Amino acid sequence: GAGVSQSPSNKVTEKGKDVELRCDPISGHTALYWYRQRLGQGLEFLIYFQGNSAPDKSGLPSDRFSAERTGESVSTLTIQRTQQEDSAVYLCASSLDGVGEQYFGPGTRLTVT
Amino acid sequence: AQSVTQLGSHVSVSEGALVLLRCNYSSSVPPYLFWYVQYPNQGLQLLLKYTSAATLVKGINDFEAEFKKSETSFHLTKPSAHMSDAAEYFCAVSPSGNTPLVFGKGTRLSVIA
Repeated sequence: GAGVSQSPSNKVTEKGKDVELRCDPISGHTALYWYRQRLGQGLEFLIYFQGNSAPDKSGLPSDRFSAERTGESVSTLTIQRTQQEDSAVYLCASSLDGVGEQYFGPGTRLTVT
Repeated sequence: AQSVTQLGSHVSVSEGALVLLRCNYSSSVPPYLFWYVQYPNQGLQLLLKYTSAATLVKGINDFEAEFKKSETSFHLTKPSAHMSDAAEYFCAVSPSGNTPLVFGKGTRLSVIA
């Protein structure tokens, strides 16, 4: 069956531009997570959606970062006015009901020049 | 707050030798614990998870990990390393299983022929 998919796989953007990253979770998974992985670092939690509950935004590093999710499907992570320190791999994960195993997508590698 | 410490950012073993990757966590409640593997240019894949059942957890590819509450450890082992085991390994903790994971910084495993 289909896993978590993310697009684009790579994105190069100029400093100051806005970018949108897309995540398609596994069908039927109610929980969706965004993480960031900077070079040589572990994964940092960004935002968490669970069903119709208000998202947990506690990991967003600044107000330039935002995310939306349509129902229990696609999510978009938006970074406004990108900075070089935003360069990282952005990983999306989903889980069946928010408990236990999270299934990860292949990530979007963002490079800000 | 939860935290995860992985001792050694890089571990190198000979093919056929024992693999030992160390993970210590801090948690105020009995945690859910995970090991993920990330092969080059791929997303994260779950190796194994501890969810308060048996303390010795067996995962894929002959990996296993033992939960030791007294030591707050969840070290990953494999009796005999294969070249294909070369990858980045991440330990992660979740306090209740339905919250975002807190990851360690990862350990890169190299296997020498």
